[in-house]
Amino acid sequence: QSALTQPPSASGSPGQSVTISCTGTSSDIGTYNSVSWYQQHPGKVPKLMISEVSKRPSGVPDRFSGSKSGNTASLTVSGLQPEDEADYYCSSYAGNNNLVFGGGTKLTVL
Amino acid sequence: QVQLQQSGPGLVEPSQTLSLTCAISGESVATNRAGWNWIRQSPSRGLEWLGRTYYSSKWNYDYAPSVKSRLTISPDTSGNRFSLQMNSVTPEDTAVYYCTRGFLSFGFDSWGQGTLVTVSS
Repeated sequence: QSALTQPPSASGSPGQSVTISCTGTSSDIGTYNSVSWYQQHPGKVPKLMISEVSKRPSGVPDRFSGSKSGNTASLTVSGLQPEDEADYYCSSYAGNNNLVFGGGTKLTVL
Repeated sequence: QVQLQQSGPGLVEPSQTLSLTCAISGESVATNRAGWNWIRQSPSRGLEWLGRTYYSSKWNYDYAPSVKSRLTISPDTSGNRFSLQMNSVTPEDTAVYYCTRGFLSFGFDSWGQGTLVTVSS
């Protein structure tokens, strides 16, 4: 059982927006602005899409955005494209030099 | 651009030691601008951060509570690489192991190619 809770699946049609949630506790997401999001295509290595809740690394399309409210972080993908179909994982700093991940969400582009 | 190249065996017997190495190109392992981490991924446990080493005036080490008693991460400045050693492995340690660059607060921006390690006799 992962420390952060994500819905197992999410879906949307091309061009639509979809939001994936990541729920933690006051010991991780609720205290630290250190949430990251990763995209992983089948058989591939995870790719950093969002860091520090809402920062996009260079090269990540601005269709990807992140936010946080209380103990829940969210990843929004706007203008869905077929190549966005992948697994998405959140992570958060959890204090005491420890890091926790979510269980992952499979995003399907219909 | 930092590149990470992993090496090590894909099969380890139960109760033995799992050893992996991650060679770094494009940055020094002794930089104070990055930490060097090991993460694993399995269907049963998902993504799991295992531990890290980083240099800030001295070498520092942090380990996840779940593996702390069995894990050692070591930097090698002469070879510009870092390694993982996990002892007393069981089949539950079967996973794809990744080395990564980054800090816990800022995410991991470079990943090795992954090594599938199977614990089996």
